[in-house]
Parts: sequence; C-alpha cells; structure tokens
Amino acid sequence: DAGVTQSPTHLIKTRGQQVTLRCSPKSGHDTVSWYQQALGQGPQFIFQYYEEEERQRGNFPDRFSGHQFPNYSSELNVNALLLGDSALYLCASSLNLVGGYTFGSGTRLTVV
Amino acid sequence: QQQVKQSPQSLIVQKGGISIINCAYENTAFDYFPWYQQFPGKGPALLIAIRPDVSEKKEGRFTISFNKSAKQFSLHIMDSQPGDSATYFCAASMSSWGGSEKLVFGKGTKLTVNP
Repeated sequence: DAGVTQSPTHLIKTRGQQVTLRCSPKSGHDTVSWYQQALGQGPQFIFQYYEEEERQRGNFPDRFSGHQFPNYSSELNVNALLLGDSALYLCASSLNLVGGYTFGSGTRLTVV
Repeated sequence: QQQVKQSPQSLIVQKGGISIINCAYENTAFDYFPWYQQFPGKGPALLIAIRPDVSEKKEGRFTISFNKSAKQFSLHIMDSQPGDSATYFCAASMSSWGGSEKLVFGKGTKLTVNP
C-alpha cells in the first residue's frame, strides 16, 4: 500500500520563475494538505483541498495556488519565486472527517 | 494565539534515559494535540496524539502528559534508544469543521540518544 508520493524530490529554480509540485495521496484518502517547512523550522500550513476545492488556507500570498484532481491527486504552484521560498514542501493526505495525516517525504525546492 | 511554543530546541540523552519535550499553547480552542517524529530526508510521521478530555496517554515507550489548565503538554520517551534520534514536533489543531484540520506546529526538538 503506497503512502503519499511527491514529485520531484529535489528542484532548483531561479528567482522569478514558476514551479509546480505534485502529490499523490495515500490510497483511500480524499483530502490533501500542503505545508512549507523552512530549514530548522516546523511545517507551516499552506492550504487544504477536498472535493477539488480549496477548503482552508494559511497565511501565504496568492503566489501560492493549488489544484486537486478527480483522482484526489494535487498540485502546488508557486509563481514569481523568491529566495525565501526555498524550503521543503510537504504534502499530507487524510480521509475527511476521520483525521490523521500521512505525510510524504517532501520536495526540496531551492531558489537561486 | 495560533502559536505552539516548544522546548528545548535540542536534547541529548544517554541510551536508556528519559527524554522529555515540552509544548505550550495559547488558543483554548485547540482540541487535538499530536506529536510527530521526523528523520532526515523524510516527512513527519505521527507518533502519538491526545485530546483534552484525558490527562495522559501511553503507547509503548511514548507518553503524552496534558495539563489543560496550564495549557501545556509534553512528550516523554522512556528507555530512549539511539534509533529514537530524530526531530520531534508537537502540534495543535481545532476541530471547528469536524474534518482534517490544519496543524499548527512547534519549531521542533532535535533529540540525540547516545549509545
């Protein structure tokens, strides 16, 4: 039973570029949340998707956007990249109304 | 009010010793308090969680103690092993929607267990 799969595992981008990160949730899960984890910090909530809609959003600018597909997979898009966007981006899936996240191993984004 | 404060930042324990990590919160609406373990290059993994209706929960060598009046909770790792060396995060959430709520994480504690 595969857990949460994220791709790519590592990515290097230049300031001002755009990036798309992908996540496949754990089998049977229908809710996907994205977190940003800066080096040496705890994860920070970006947003959550359920039934292809953004259900909750954290304190992140509109440069961060997402999408959930009918098969529950999700994408995180970040436009106009800043150096400060360098971080580990974690995807977490869960089953709605049950709770309990399963995290993926993350995508390490470096902005130069 | 959305913060969760975690201490210490780092902790070194001898094999067989007890590791204790503490967290404090302000928002009394929080009603779910999980602890996550993260190894380098991996995502956080749920270790143990507690709700405010109990003061203690034990799973194997891991125990959460919860003090609702003080708005504090702690993780105790008994008989610490070198394999427990990892970064531990406390977190808090509120079930205002009844679903999978966003988690507010502490800044983490890097635990090193010496053999």
